Amino acid sequence: QSALTQPASVSGSPGQSITISCTGTSSDVGGYNYVSWYQQHPGKAPKLMIYEVSNRPSGVSNRFSGSKSGNTASLTISGLQAEDEADYYCSSYTSSSAVVFGGGTKLTVL
Amino acid sequence: EVQLVQSGAEVKKPGESLKISCKGSGYSFTSYWIGWVRQMPGKGLEWMGIIYPGDSDTRYSPSFQGQVTISADKSISTAYLQWSSLKASDTAMYYCARRSGIGWYFDLWGRGTLVTVSS
Repeated sequence: QSALTQPASVSGSPGQSITISCTGTSSDVGGYNYVSWYQQHPGKAPKLMIYEVSNRPSGVSNRFSGSKSGNTASLTISGLQAEDEADYYCSSYTSSSAVVFGGGTKLTVL
Repeated sequence: EVQLVQSGAEVKKPGESLKISCKGSGYSFTSYWIGWVRQMPGKGLEWMGIIYPGDSDTRYSPSFQGQVTISADKSISTAYLQWSSLKASDTAMYYCARRSGIGWYFDLWGRGTLVTVSS
C-alpha cells in the first residue's frame, strides 16, 4: 500500500487561507468517505482535525475544513494563525481493510 | 479522564526483544480498536496494525506483518507492540491510538514511546 501523496510544504501569511491536497486512488481516498486529517506539532502526538472527509471533532476551530473530489481530498485552513504552523497528515481507509497515511505536509506561517 | 498512557522510552541493542505498552482508561477499553503508528526520526506516520481488545482480532499492514506482534490484555486494559529481534531500523517513535467507533479515524492518541536501537 503506497502512502497518499501530499505536498511536502505549504506556506501562507497570517489571515490568509491555504489548502493541502491528499491524492490517493479509487482503492482508498476515492472509494470511501473515511478520509481524516491530523495536525502534529514538533515533539507532540498527532491530533485529529477532520474525520470522514469534512467533519470537525468538538473543540477544533471552524477555520479548519475538509473536502474530497474523486481520488483527492483537501484540507483548508482559513484565517491562518501562527499556532497553525505544524505538520499535517491525511489518512484513509483502504480496500485492504487497512489504513494509509499521507507523507505529511509542513505548514509554515510566514 | 479518557486517555492512552504509553510506556517509557527504551534503549536496546540489535537482536534484543522488546514489548511496549499502551494502557487505556476512562472509557470501555474492550469496545474500541487500538492501532499502532510508527514515526521514524524526521519522517511521516506509518500505520502498523490494529487490534480489537474485546476479542483480540488483529490486522497488520503488509509492511509490518511478520516484523512485529500486536496483542492486548483486556483484563488490564492494555495493548502491546512487541519485537522478537530488534534492528537499528526499528529506531522510531511509536504511537498507540484509539479508532473511533465505526469510523476509520483515530480520535485519541498516546504520547508515544521512543525506541532507540543501537549497538
